[in-house]
Amino acid sequence: DADVTQTPRNRITKTGKRIMLECSQTKGHDRMYWYRQDPGLGLRLIYYSFDVKDINKGEISDGYSVSRQAQAKFSLSLESAIPNQTALYFCATRDRVNTEAFFGQGTRLTVV
Amino acid sequence: AQSVSQHNHHVILSEAASLELGCNYSYGGTVNLFWYVQYPGQHLQLLLKYFSGDPLVKGIKGFEAEFIKSKFSFNLRKPSVQWSDTAEYFCAVSSISSNNDMRFGAGTRLTVKP
Repeated sequence: DADVTQTPRNRITKTGKRIMLECSQTKGHDRMYWYRQDPGLGLRLIYYSFDVKDINKGEISDGYSVSRQAQAKFSLSLESAIPNQTALYFCATRDRVNTEAFFGQGTRLTVV
Repeated sequence: AQSVSQHNHHVILSEAASLELGCNYSYGGTVNLFWYVQYPGQHLQLLLKYFSGDPLVKGIKGFEAEFIKSKFSFNLRKPSVQWSDTAEYFCAVSSISSNNDMRFGAGTRLTVKP
């Protein structure tokens, strides 16, 4: 089983719909992150969380919200999806400050 | 604003050629530096990392990177690339000055011709 699991792996949704992307991890890490990947733009940070009570906005948080339900779970929501939110979304976890991030397999979201 | 810059958008090399991919950052203070690789259709995997100590860092698959503090750079190198190195490469930075988030560059797509 993967250490960082994202569901769903692929999703097509209509403009205006609410959608939730889920991430769970078995690594026991405190820090969790949501990124979106777009061609030519790399990975851009949406939100990150250092523990259940600590949520921080990243570079591009507008149009997104998150929930840290437990240490192991970090969900990303699009309240009203729009086509320019079509992207590949990655969840990542980190243990402490000076460690690397571990990534999930990604969720490919298409908004039509 | 704090940022991570990767100068090369797309690099095309023949097998056995040497590789150097540039990465510059604009963070102040102590930084943690990373290079990740993303093979087609896969998630990001760590190539190497720098936290402190020897500025020349060796990673997996023959890759290495050099941290030059005065130039705010962390360039990735490989003496002889293989067709299997075809992938996208991302530089990333984490810093106390940015609340320990992790920011990525735009990526460099490497194509190695057999």
